[in-house]
Amino acid sequence: GAVVSQHPSWVICKSGTSVKIECRSLDFQATTMFWYRQFPKQSLMLMATSNEGSKATYEQGVEKDKFLINHASLTLSTLTVTSAHPEDSSFYICSATTEDRDLREQYFGPGTRLTVT
Amino acid sequence: AQSVTQPDIHITVSEGASLELRCNYSYGATPYLFWYVQSPGQGLQLLLKYFSGDTLVQGIKGFEAEFKRSQSSFNLRKPSVHWSDAAEYFCAVGAKGRVSGGSYIPTFGRGTSLIVHP
Repeated sequence: GAVVSQHPSWVICKSGTSVKIECRSLDFQATTMFWYRQFPKQSLMLMATSNEGSKATYEQGVEKDKFLINHASLTLSTLTVTSAHPEDSSFYICSATTEDRDLREQYFGPGTRLTVT
Repeated sequence: AQSVTQPDIHITVSEGASLELRCNYSYGATPYLFWYVQSPGQGLQLLLKYFSGDTLVQGIKGFEAEFKRSQSSFNLRKPSVHWSDAAEYFCAVGAKGRVSGGSYIPTFGRGTSLIVHP
């Protein structure tokens, strides 16, 4: 139980275009969803947290207008990278918590590899 | 604010040898502690967690970790490493002071890369 999926698993886009990444909780309702960014050989950097129906809370230094987060339902959050540039290439990971279990524990998706050419 | 230190960037062990990955945290109260493993190109898999109670925690894949309050440590151990254990390992700490919508936001260490020699 507590499975999180991401789609797509990898995507290549051209510089200047936008790309949307989906994060779904498959067998539970997500209280909070988290978006992380991970550079090669580095740790996870939290980008933002979002609760269903509310605006996302962004970490300091993360551009809200560039990384649009929509948490439209209790099972779906999307991250849209707008006007992507090569420096946005990274591994994006989402996670979720649920009130049905322990809110101290996060369940992670498999990640999405974004390459901007 | 809490912080996590994983002092070893790389650890190399021979298959069958024992393993210990170090993790130190900084937080005023009792933290919530996690160890995750990440294979290349994959998401994070929870190995084990400590919230309270017995300070020796058993996890999946034969891993265990011990919470030592006096040393602010939560080191991960395995008595006999398998080649399939080669991966990146992350220690994380969650705390009451960092919460969103009731959910705790963990702080991750920078990770330790485990290399296993045959």
